Amino acid sequence: GENVEQHPSTLSVQEGDSAVIKCTYSDSASNYFPWYKQELGKRPQLIIDIRSNVGEKKDQRIAVTLNKTAKHFSLHITETQPEDSAVYFCAASNQDTGNQFYFGTGTSLTVIP
Amino acid sequence: GAVVSQHPSRVICKSGTSVKIECRSLDFQATTMFWYRQFPKQSLMLMATSNEGSKATYEQGVEKDKFLINHASLTLSTLTVTSAHPEDSSFYICSANSIQNYGYTFGSGTRLTVV
Repeated sequence: GENVEQHPSTLSVQEGDSAVIKCTYSDSASNYFPWYKQELGKRPQLIIDIRSNVGEKKDQRIAVTLNKTAKHFSLHITETQPEDSAVYFCAASNQDTGNQFYFGTGTSLTVIP
Repeated sequence: GAVVSQHPSRVICKSGTSVKIECRSLDFQATTMFWYRQFPKQSLMLMATSNEGSKATYEQGVEKDKFLINHASLTLSTLTVTSAHPEDSSFYICSANSIQNYGYTFGSGTRLTVV
């Protein structure tokens, strides 16, 4: 099955700086890579996603890059704000066969005002 | 947008009893629902995939007789934790995949505490 690794597990940045979270996956058949933000005790919220036919996607301060050859993808948050503080999870999925999501271990991001 | 409702949000039960958690898609038909378990400060671990009208597919290491999943309609899946033990205490969260391609929508989660 799919194995997703995520680094770092914790990340602290000063407000206004950038934050980068990296994930690797094992199954080359995975073709969909969403990123979720989860606040304590709440459901994960999709913040951005990328499909395997795209190398990069950007939505305002958030961007995701995908390297299919190396099987890794990264989340980039620029101009961080205190409200970006949360736990972020990457996931990998094969949308052609079941669409189960396999999540990374999570990154606890703290943005220091 | 797609909404998935999950109940109850919190439940406390005694060891040895069973607890049922419901996951409903409110405005779309969910051909597939997924059940995840999340321990504090840990990731979401896929427990099982539930397809409407058929038996659930469980991930390796998940006891199917302990975590009973029923997906009787396109809008409802239930997870029953049978003979609950304190180690079953966790955050259980469902998600649904819609045939209208709304993507993957999470329920609000259920905090189960077994005492």
